[in-house]
Amino acid sequence: DAGVIQSPRHEVTEMGQEVTLRCKPISGHNSLFWYRQTMMRGLELLIYFNNNVPIDDSGMPEDRFSAKMPNASFSTLKIQPSEPRDSAVYFCASSLHQGAYEQYFGPGTRLTVT
Amino acid sequence: AQKITQTQPGMFVQEKEAVTLDCTYDTSDPSYGLFWYKQPSSGEMIFLIYQGSYDQQNATEGRYSLNFQKARKSANLVISASQLGDSAMYFCAILDRMDSSYKLIFGSGTRLLVRP
Repeated sequence: DAGVIQSPRHEVTEMGQEVTLRCKPISGHNSLFWYRQTMMRGLELLIYFNNNVPIDDSGMPEDRFSAKMPNASFSTLKIQPSEPRDSAVYFCASSLHQGAYEQYFGPGTRLTVT
Repeated sequence: AQKITQTQPGMFVQEKEAVTLDCTYDTSDPSYGLFWYKQPSSGEMIFLIYQGSYDQQNATEGRYSLNFQKARKSANLVISASQLGDSAMYFCAILDRMDSSYKLIFGSGTRLLVRP
């Protein structure tokens, strides 16, 4: 069975450019989570969707960040314009439902903004 | 507010020995869940074990067991018979269920190194 799929795995971009990260959750999972991992702040939740609806976006750092889930099998996290402090590993995770015991993580996207 | 504290930034253990990774938590929610994830050097996050606050017995999954002490608000991970492949970062997390929102709150992690 395919796990959570993220693309790209690595992204290097220049400051000011738009960056789009993509995620395909596990089929049948109703909840999708976007996390960011940095050395300074650790692993933190940015936003999560339940049945394609954003439930909690309190972790989204600022208006430069936006996330969408147009259907049950696809989500994007967009940063526009990107800044060097956005450099991090971005994980997508999915679970059967929002209170489910286990969240399955994707491999992550390592973003470097120069 | 909920939080997770992992006080050991790094740990060493000899191969084949057992090791305990500490985790304490703070929550006002009477019902909660505690999790441990492993992150090897390759970067992926791997779910290891779950403990519900009302579970009567400590959770076990193969060589992993969770030493759950509710009164002390601790949920330590015990790895028995350590293997070289256990070298990784380990994160403790609590499921935050506030204001109809569910999210995992992670600790800062413990880096475990298994010596041959």
